[in-house]
Amino acid sequence: EAQVTQNPRYLITVTGKKLTVTCSQNMNHEYMSWYRQDPGLGLRQIYYSMNVEVTDKGDVPEGYKVSRKEKRNFPLILESPSPNQTSLYFCASSPLYQTGQQETQYFGPGTRLLVL
Amino acid sequence: GEDVEQSLFLSVREGDSSVINCTYTDSSSTYLYWYKQEPGAGLQLLTYIFSNMDMKQDQRLTVLLNKKDKHLSLRIADTQTGDSAIYFCAESPLTGGFKTIFGAGTRLFVKA
Repeated sequence: EAQVTQNPRYLITVTGKKLTVTCSQNMNHEYMSWYRQDPGLGLRQIYYSMNVEVTDKGDVPEGYKVSRKEKRNFPLILESPSPNQTSLYFCASSPLYQTGQQETQYFGPGTRLLVL
Repeated sequence: GEDVEQSLFLSVREGDSSVINCTYTDSSSTYLYWYKQEPGAGLQLLTYIFSNMDMKQDQRLTVLLNKKDKHLSLRIADTQTGDSAIYFCAESPLTGGFKTIFGAGTRLFVKA
């Protein structure tokens, strides 16, 4: 089954304790992306990746890191989480058109993070 | 900069039509999308439209694009209680990198 998976689905942590949220897709998509969803703000893009070893900042990258060592995986790293990073996080993937624009994105189920 | 705006709430009666509106700012956007998010779930693509089209119809869904006014709408005919969800408008600009810009989402309430 074609899908995007995220782990964990729920996480409670404390300020400053490094954490990683994993994302994996089995569709051989070039493009992968991380978003955070906050009430009244919709989805805001954190980082995206056009292909292996190619990553770029979205609109709200501060406090986050990503890596793309393999095509299927795109982990999101919070080196020193803070309470303002409490949010619902979504990973997404899509193929790329020949123009370089991404096609429609497939979303993972979300990871709900609470930072105390 | 890029921005996508939507009204936050819409309430309709079952069987009526729903119209969800969206405005965007980047005229270079080639693709414009509508996503649906049900409670506790991720986003699911409903439909998309190319910027060189005015209208796209897919069963109960009709998308209208006014490129001059940068206005996009989603009409749901014969709205059902199962259509209750948050609907996100999104654009994919050609400028400023390969990002997707989402609106804040419109929460649709369907009254039986």
